[in-house]
Amino acid sequence: QKEVEQNSGPLSVPEGAIASLNCTYSDRGSQSFFWYRQYSGKSPELIMSIYSNGDKEDGRFTAQLNKASQYVSLLIRDSQPSDSATYLCAVNSGAGSYQLTFGKGTKLSVIP
Amino acid sequence: GAGVSQSPSNKVTEKGKDVELRCDPISGHTALYWYRQSLGQGLEFLIYFQGNSAPDKSGLPSDRFSAERTGGSVSTLTIQRTQQEDSAVYLCASSLESWGPKDFGEGSWLTVV
Repeated sequence: QKEVEQNSGPLSVPEGAIASLNCTYSDRGSQSFFWYRQYSGKSPELIMSIYSNGDKEDGRFTAQLNKASQYVSLLIRDSQPSDSATYLCAVNSGAGSYQLTFGKGTKLSVIP
Repeated sequence: GAGVSQSPSNKVTEKGKDVELRCDPISGHTALYWYRQSLGQGLEFLIYFQGNSAPDKSGLPSDRFSAERTGGSVSTLTIQRTQQEDSAVYLCASSLESWGPKDFGEGSWLTVV
């Protein structure tokens, strides 16, 4: 059974700090990795995708992937109170696979 | 432009009743997904539609659940003889690509009492 694990949190960081969110997955065949942000009572929104080992940067967000360790992370630089949300890691397996397996999410709280 | 639209936004129903949830995807998006999110749980895949192809129903939890997509656009998820464990947020998403859900609707919050 494919599993995606995340610490539930809450992860509390002060405003301006770097928030580090981590995710591990069980399926070695996984090829595509996604981070969604979900505000309380709202639907998820896609913020990052990563397909190759290494880092991918988009503004204040950096996704990091290590397939050998089956590990993907999301770094948020200069964290803002508006970043306070639950961050969902999602993984799909194999080319053309559309079924994402989601983790339960990590709740991030940025303290002003 | 208009995003993914879902209705109703909230539904309270009695155990044993049937419910229909509607999803209107973004125009031109050929891929449509239904996911379910229970309190404190991750998103659970239910069903996937792609164009005129046969849907992938492998995530439907029981035969009480069914879905259709008419004309490659609007989709309806039907839950028959609802049970309390069906209480959840039902999320619809659409995308141009087939790698997974990109644009989510606001969800239909279902409570079975």
